[in-house]
Amino acid sequence: QVQLVQSGAEVKKPGASVKVSCKTSGYTFTGFYMHWVRQAPGQGLEYIGGINPETGDRKYIQSFQGRVTMTRDTSISTFYMELSGLLSDDTAVYYCAGENFSDSFKKFECWGQGTLVTVSS
Amino acid sequence: QTVVTQEPSLTVSPGGTVTLTCASSTGAVTSGYYPNWFQQKPGQAPRSLIYSTSNKHSWTPARFSGSLLGGKAALTLSGVLPEDEAEYYCLLYYGGAQPWVFGGGTKVTVL
Repeated sequence: QVQLVQSGAEVKKPGASVKVSCKTSGYTFTGFYMHWVRQAPGQGLEYIGGINPETGDRKYIQSFQGRVTMTRDTSISTFYMELSGLLSDDTAVYYCAGENFSDSFKKFECWGQGTLVTVSS
Repeated sequence: QTVVTQEPSLTVSPGGTVTLTCASSTGAVTSGYYPNWFQQKPGQAPRSLIYSTSNKHSWTPARFSGSLLGGKAALTLSGVLPEDEAEYYCLLYYGGAQPWVFGGGTKVTVL
């Protein structure tokens, strides 16, 4: 079955960078567009951006432009999201979420378990 | 900045029916927004329930249904069970510079 397994919790100082991984299994790697979403403590879900597994084309929302980089390593079926210039407001659980784009339905289908990133001095 | 609005909270009795809605600040929600709905319980990752307005995943219980209602996307829970108590989020597709936007979430209490 489809599985997305994310890397473990991180604690970072303000101004540092963090790189979260999302290892996929159970499907053809190029079958799912990978989105990244975050959730601050006690808050709702916030969309960050996504990456096409075939082409590597990325799309980030404006508020993260210049600070976020999404990549993928097709050889090990893994996606990455790196966020730089961390602020305390970046403290959140970060999720990868797979969209099955084998058809035209824009079907969000599977989620990673989440990675807690804590930014603290 | 596009805003997607959901009811902050709703309460429903066991066995009852409740409808959650998802509105866009840009106007009426249509099928072209490909509404997705997710359920999230405390301490857990979100779980996908509905995609493209009304389509269910293989794991989505039959009591959940999606639709368009009065210019909004809607999620209806029929024959509610205690285990349906959770936060529910909608997600709309806009393309362009802000491709996807989440609603603020609806906390459903079963009481």
